[in-house]
Amino acid sequence: QSALTQPRSVSGSPGQSIIISCTGSSSDVGAYDYVSWYQQHPGKAPKVMIYDVTKRPSGVPDRFSGSRSGNTASLTISALQTEDEADYYCSSYAGRYSWVFGGGTKLTVL
Amino acid sequence: QGQLLQSGVEVKKPGASVKVSCEASGYTFSSYGIGWVRQAPGQGLEWMGWISVYTGNTKYAQKFQDRVTITTDTSTTTAYMELRSLKFDDTAVYYCARGFSYSFDYWGQGTLVTVSS
Repeated sequence: QSALTQPRSVSGSPGQSIIISCTGSSSDVGAYDYVSWYQQHPGKAPKVMIYDVTKRPSGVPDRFSGSRSGNTASLTISALQTEDEADYYCSSYAGRYSWVFGGGTKLTVL
Repeated sequence: QGQLLQSGVEVKKPGASVKVSCEASGYTFSSYGIGWVRQAPGQGLEWMGWISVYTGNTKYAQKFQDRVTITTDTSTTTAYMELRSLKFDDTAVYYCARGFSYSFDYWGQGTLVTVSS
């Protein structure tokens, strides 16, 4: 499968909101309700922030939300905080127990 | 709280094989699958493969189909990922992760594999 397409970087100021997009195809993002988002700080393992397109694991702030329209999923982070600065990756189930990741987006909190 | 503990740093020569282990604790091992994901230096995440611990069924990314084998040992609650015929561009951090609702909730700390002559 081809990697999902994400912007290489986004930025925002503390307190603002940002949106990271994730574009796939009708074979992955558009086909299954199984898009997830991961936050990764430098030198650390990824951490799931959103799963099943819109669900938040316990302990993830409600400032993080997910959505999808057609073949494009989005992660919205509202009320940005400095600790949100990290790399963010989307992932989608692609059928038959296979997954695909996006190329990653570097979030800078100015 | 579930936890995945991976084996340590590996340095291998081109053409060799590496086997990374991932010991699970804090949850019922056979009730969840395990995925393997790698990250080359400065690059993004790349899905490599999946194993259903309960059935032993596996699925590999086409890119690694001929070189990777994922197994589990339920007696020790450990998953393994073996990558053969290593190339320089296999240098990466390799992660195991627990499958949860078609996402990955618990991640190992990562294992750095360096391929160098």
